[in-house]
Amino acid sequence: DARVTQTPRDKVTEMGQEVTMRCQPILGHNTVFWYRQTMKQGLELLAYFRNRAPLDDSGMPKDRFSAEMPDATLATLKIQPSEPRDSAVYFCASGLSSGGPPGELFFGEGSRLTVL
Amino acid sequence: GDSVTQMEGPVTLSEEAFLTINCTYTATGYPSLFWYVQYPGEGLQLLLKATKADDKGSNKGFEATYRKETTSFHLEKGSVQVSDSAVYFCALSDTNTGNQFYFGTGTSLTVIP
Repeated sequence: DARVTQTPRDKVTEMGQEVTMRCQPILGHNTVFWYRQTMKQGLELLAYFRNRAPLDDSGMPKDRFSAEMPDATLATLKIQPSEPRDSAVYFCASGLSSGGPPGELFFGEGSRLTVL
Repeated sequence: GDSVTQMEGPVTLSEEAFLTINCTYTATGYPSLFWYVQYPGEGLQLLLKATKADDKGSNKGFEATYRKETTSFHLEKGSVQVSDSAVYFCALSDTNTGNQFYFGTGTSLTVIP
């Protein structure tokens, strides 16, 4: 049963600490998206990659957030230092693109981050 | 730029009632349109999609028709069940805007017995 796997599912940390969230896309998918979900803002696109190359990270606060794909089976989203306003659920989604947008995005279950 | 606007919630219906959740879009090209559903504590999952004008997407009793003339993709179901309680997101993807997916703000639906 192919699925997007995200870790950790839940993370509570203190302000100023580094947080790393990981995502394993579905095998064979070449596009990965990171979204942040809050009650106030809804779903916000943070970054997306195709064939491991970052295509757009304009939605990401550059001073503290970074996103990478060290290899095709792993995407990471790092926050350093974390702040209370970063508290949210972070979703990773993957899809298969043949040049255009993926025909469908498959979402992981999310990583719920609480920064105290 | 591209965007999706969907009706605000929350929506509360009695079981077997008719459901409509409105969605309109703005796009520079010829987008594909989607409805995603999010059950409590889970990620979003695709409910249905349509890739060109006049296409109708359908799944699990839900339907939506891609209307280019009104730039709309309204979600409907004839008879909702308690198990349909979830948050529904309208979305679009457009090759003209770098292959991004744009999501609406979500509409929360609660179905009461």
